[in-house]
Amino acid sequence: DIQMTQSPSFLSATVGDRVTINCKASQNINKYLNWYQQKLGEAPKRLIYNTNSLQTGIPSRFSGSGSGTDYTLTISSLQPEDVATYFCLQHNSGPTFGSGTKLEIK
Amino acid sequence: EVQLVETGGGLVQPGKSLKLTCATSGFTFSNAWMHWVRQSPEKQLEWVAQIKAKSNNYATYYAESVKGRFTISRDDSKSSVYLQMNSLKEEDTAIYYCTWMYTDYWGQGVMVTVSS
Repeated sequence: DIQMTQSPSFLSATVGDRVTINCKASQNINKYLNWYQQKLGEAPKRLIYNTNSLQTGIPSRFSGSGSGTDYTLTISSLQPEDVATYFCLQHNSGPTFGSGTKLEIK
Repeated sequence: EVQLVETGGGLVQPGKSLKLTCATSGFTFSNAWMHWVRQSPEKQLEWVAQIKAKSNNYATYYAESVKGRFTISRDDSKSSVYLQMNSLKEEDTAIYYCTWMYTDYWGQGVMVTVSS
């Protein structure tokens, strides 16, 4: 199984900050990496698919990058409504999620 | 409007069985590859199972943690997907989501608690 190591597990930032969240795969996942946002009491919602493709309806302040084993989600200018937990998911082989990053506003 | 509605959750003793149902509408279910994903009380997400379409011979795949105990199935005439869970363990306690992962449609989730 492919393991996903996500960091940090907790992040506190100010409105307007640039925020980055990382996921590292235990082997090459060929850019088959999605990012999800989950707000309290809701199902996960996909933000980015296949490393850098923005899901329809998602604000352009969200972006993704990476290759091989290392991937990053970037929020270019943090907004209050971005408070949530973020997960990565590799779907190259037997889907596996990262452990999540809880994002709060300072 | 696409809808996925899970039912069948509840409290069950270790070693017992439970069957979850996900009723769908608003899309061509017969072509969709469907998944079950669960979220533990510690909020960790775990992919559980996948079933492909008839054109893919209804191929199924499972997480190692549930292989041999859980069975995913579908009824295209009812636009529904199922998860039969046998030999349940306390670590199976979670919210179970049905999802059409390719397009990112999810149900609201159903709680399964395994406890004596």
